[in-house]
Amino acid sequence: DIQMTQSPSSLSASVGDRVTITCQASHDINNYLNWWQQKPGKAPKLLIYDVSNLETGVPSRFSGGKSGTDFTFTINSLQPEDFATYYCQQYNSLPISFGQGTRLEIK
Amino acid sequence: EVQLVQSGAEVKKPGASLKIACKTSGYRFSNFWIGWVRQKPGKGLEWIGMVHPGDSTTRISPSFLDHVSVSADTSTNTTYLQWRSLNVSDTGNYYCVRHLLRGVVTTDSFWGQGTMVTVSS
Repeated sequence: DIQMTQSPSSLSASVGDRVTITCQASHDINNYLNWWQQKPGKAPKLLIYDVSNLETGVPSRFSGGKSGTDFTFTINSLQPEDFATYYCQQYNSLPISFGQGTRLEIK
Repeated sequence: EVQLVQSGAEVKKPGASLKIACKTSGYRFSNFWIGWVRQKPGKGLEWIGMVHPGDSTTRISPSFLDHVSVSADTSTNTTYLQWRSLNVSDTGNYYCVRHLLRGVVTTDSFWGQGTMVTVSS
C-alpha cells in the first residue's frame, strides 16, 4: 500500500496570506495526485487533479505542483472561505490513499 | 444533474448487521465504478472499496477486507455498503462517491451527503 505523508497537520494564517502544504508518497505515484478541500459537515470537494490541473470552477488562487519528490499545494491570497481542511490523495494504485489532512485555521 | 443520495443515520449495537444505501441519478449507473469512503469523528478520509455496477466486480481495501461488502443493484441505481457484525470502531461517517478511470481509478467530484453510523453498547 502507498502511504501519503502530509504536512503540516495544522496551519494558522491570515486573510491575504500565501500558504503551502506538502505531501510525500512512500512509492512512485506517477503524478496521480488529487487535492481536496473539506469543510465541517460537508463532503470533500475536488480542487486539483493530476498534480496541477484545476478542477472546473475552482478559483485560480489554488495551485498544485511538484518539487523533487514532494507534491505541493498552494493557496495564494487566502480568502475567508478557504479556511478548511485539505487532503492529498494518490490514485496510482489500489487501495486509494489519502494524506492525514491539514487543518487551515484563521490566525 | 448527477446526484448521490444516501440513506439516513444509523445507531446500532456491537455485533449487529447493517446495510446502508446510496441512490444515484443523472448518469448511466452501470458505466462508473462507485465506492465508499469512511471518516471517523474528527479524523481523516479512508478509502473502503468500490463496485462496478456493470458486472458487480468489487475491489476492497485490505484494511476493510473480510469486514465489509459492497454491492450494486442496477434495477434501482443503488449501491450498498454492508457489515455482518459491527464493531465500536466502525463508528463514523460513510460517504459514497462515484469513481473515474484516471490513474488506476480515482474518486470523482460527485459524493453523497454522508451516512453517520454510530456503534455503541
